[in-house]
Amino acid sequence: ETGVTQSPTHLIKTRGQQVTLRCSSQSGHNTVSWYQQALGQGPQFIFQYYREEENGRGNFPPRFSGLQFPNYSSELNVNALELDDSALYLCASRTGGQDTQYFGPGTRLTVL
Amino acid sequence: AQSVTQLDSHVSVSEGTPVLLRCNYSSSYSPSLFWYVQHPNKGLQLLLKYTSAATLVKGINGFEAEFKKSETSFHLTKPSAHMSDAAEYFCVVSALFSGGYNKLIFGAGTRLAVHP
Repeated sequence: ETGVTQSPTHLIKTRGQQVTLRCSSQSGHNTVSWYQQALGQGPQFIFQYYREEENGRGNFPPRFSGLQFPNYSSELNVNALELDDSALYLCASRTGGQDTQYFGPGTRLTVL
Repeated sequence: AQSVTQLDSHVSVSEGTPVLLRCNYSSSYSPSLFWYVQHPNKGLQLLLKYTSAATLVKGINGFEAEFKKSETSFHLTKPSAHMSDAAEYFCVVSALFSGGYNKLIFGAGTRLAVHP
């Protein structure tokens, strides 16, 4: 176990709705990244937060947004859900000076 | 630009036989390379990491990987497969961007099946 936790475990939404996923980083880690893993594919980088600011973003539209809190926990928000947003969403944390990332168990989002 | 290519989408072995999962990388600088494992309906677990300290890297559960710069390869091996090794394996490179952020770039994955 990495110490990274995510909630909820599973979520079912309908197209057009909004969703918030949560991540609690490993103790001592100040950097959180989010990844989307579609079925049968490798994870794709969404964005990274460091000290409460987004400092890197992958090829995802603005309806994917996030927050990081003073305790370094993080949220991923997705607006106007589309069917293709159905995926496993993974949160990973690390310390600012390292590139090794430790992953949580993920949230499985199903959009109907 | 950094990238990784996993040469096999599926590998099937018998329990007790060696495992070889192949990965080639592309990087404009000395890379950090990783292997992660994902068991069904689970998150990603770090198996091992290469950081230029040694070309042969030992990881958890008896896995190891050898970095070969001349071949731009980072293949994962295990001398004897166990049933519990059945999972999806990802070869990963860490890419550093201006602004100080880094992201992990994943290969497409190799599904390892282990038969009795």
